[in-house]
Amino acid sequence: GPKVLQIPSHQIIDMGQMVTLNCDPVSNHLYFYWYKQILGQQMEFLVNFYNGKVMEKSKLFKDQFSVERPDGSYFTLKIQPTALEDSAVYFCASSLRQGARAEQFFGPGTRLTVL
Amino acid sequence: QQKVQQSPESLSVPEGGMASLNCTFSDRNSQYFWWYRQHSGEGPKALMSIFSNGDKKEGRFTAHLNKASLYVSLHIKDSQPSDSALYFCAVSRVNNNRIFFGDGTQLVVKP
Repeated sequence: GPKVLQIPSHQIIDMGQMVTLNCDPVSNHLYFYWYKQILGQQMEFLVNFYNGKVMEKSKLFKDQFSVERPDGSYFTLKIQPTALEDSAVYFCASSLRQGARAEQFFGPGTRLTVL
Repeated sequence: QQKVQQSPESLSVPEGGMASLNCTFSDRNSQYFWWYRQHSGEGPKALMSIFSNGDKKEGRFTAHLNKASLYVSLHIKDSQPSDSALYFCAVSRVNNNRIFFGDGTQLVVKP
């Protein structure tokens, strides 16, 4: 079936550094998402993105976060600067259509560890 | 803020048995409900959706929705070891891409 890829699978960085998480969504999908899951807790919505713009974001999507998909390449989540509480697994997802009726396809996640 | 809660936290059933997973939600404007399954080391994968009250059957899987009771469930008949995974309930409102996930039920099917 359709696959979403995420690179890297694991990233370790020092607090205050910048990190970019990369997502290769399903090729014909138009809507893109990031979710955050702290170990042992629920997966939580961060942001969704369509046609070059942020459509909706949650309170977890702090000012230090940004997303982009330049020229149809990777859909990226950048955190600058990172904080200890940013340690989590970040899941990227994509969907063909908008709305909650549309199935979202998830990547395997990037485990981010901020020291 | 939508609260989605799942029970039990973990469940062990013998191969061939029935597994029943429960989910409650708090927002009465919720309209769309999904069950996702996540195997270790992978991302969640949609198993099935249910949008209307009642039962929906897909193979060995049956979802049940009761919006008035703020309740959705998933029943797995003839459970197989390959069904062992973390199961998430996911809930959304109309015209909203945001999904609220429950905290998952870890299912173990013992051969």
